[in-house]
Amino acid sequence: EAQVTQNPRYLITVTGKKLTVTCSQNMNHEYMSWYRQDPGLGLRQIYYSMNVEVTDKGDVPEGYKVSRKEKRNFPLILESPSPNQTSLYFCASSLSTGVKLFFGSGTQLSVL
Amino acid sequence: QKEVEQNSGPLSVPEGAIASLNCTYSDRGSQSFFWYRQYSGKSPELIMFIYSNGDKEDGRFTAQLNKASQYVSLLIRDSQPSDSATYLCAVNTGFNKFYFGSGTKLNVKP
Repeated sequence: EAQVTQNPRYLITVTGKKLTVTCSQNMNHEYMSWYRQDPGLGLRQIYYSMNVEVTDKGDVPEGYKVSRKEKRNFPLILESPSPNQTSLYFCASSLSTGVKLFFGSGTQLSVL
Repeated sequence: QKEVEQNSGPLSVPEGAIASLNCTYSDRGSQSFFWYRQYSGKSPELIMFIYSNGDKEDGRFTAQLNKASQYVSLLIRDSQPSDSATYLCAVNTGFNKFYFGSGTKLNVKP
């Protein structure tokens, strides 16, 4: 089954404790991206990747890191999480830019 | 100014009616336009996409694009209670970035 797999589904952590949210797609998609969704603000793009080893900042990259060492994986790293990073996070992939995005099931992150 | 603007709603329509959802965008260079549906606690799923001016129909859904007015709309005919969700307008500017509106919540009343 074609899908984007995101883990974990829920995560509660404390300020400053490094964490990684994993994202993997099995559709051989070139383009992958991360979003955060906050009430009233919609989905905002954090980082995106056009291909292996090619990443770039979205609109809200501060406090986040990404890597794309393999085509199928695009982890989101929070080196020192802060409470303002409490949000619902989505990973998405697509065959190329400007076409349909396939979303993962989301990660609800709470930073205390 | 936000890149993509939507009325947050809620928009309430009776079952069987036409629901009309609207979206405006700021970047005139935007190239592709999408409507996603998101149920509470779930991930967005694509409903429609449109690249050219005019109308595009798919079943009960019609997307309309007017690039001169920087306006995108989604019409849902014969609305059903199962259509009750938040509808997200998304725009791709051609620089590998997607911008989403904050969504319009639709309630279809039986």
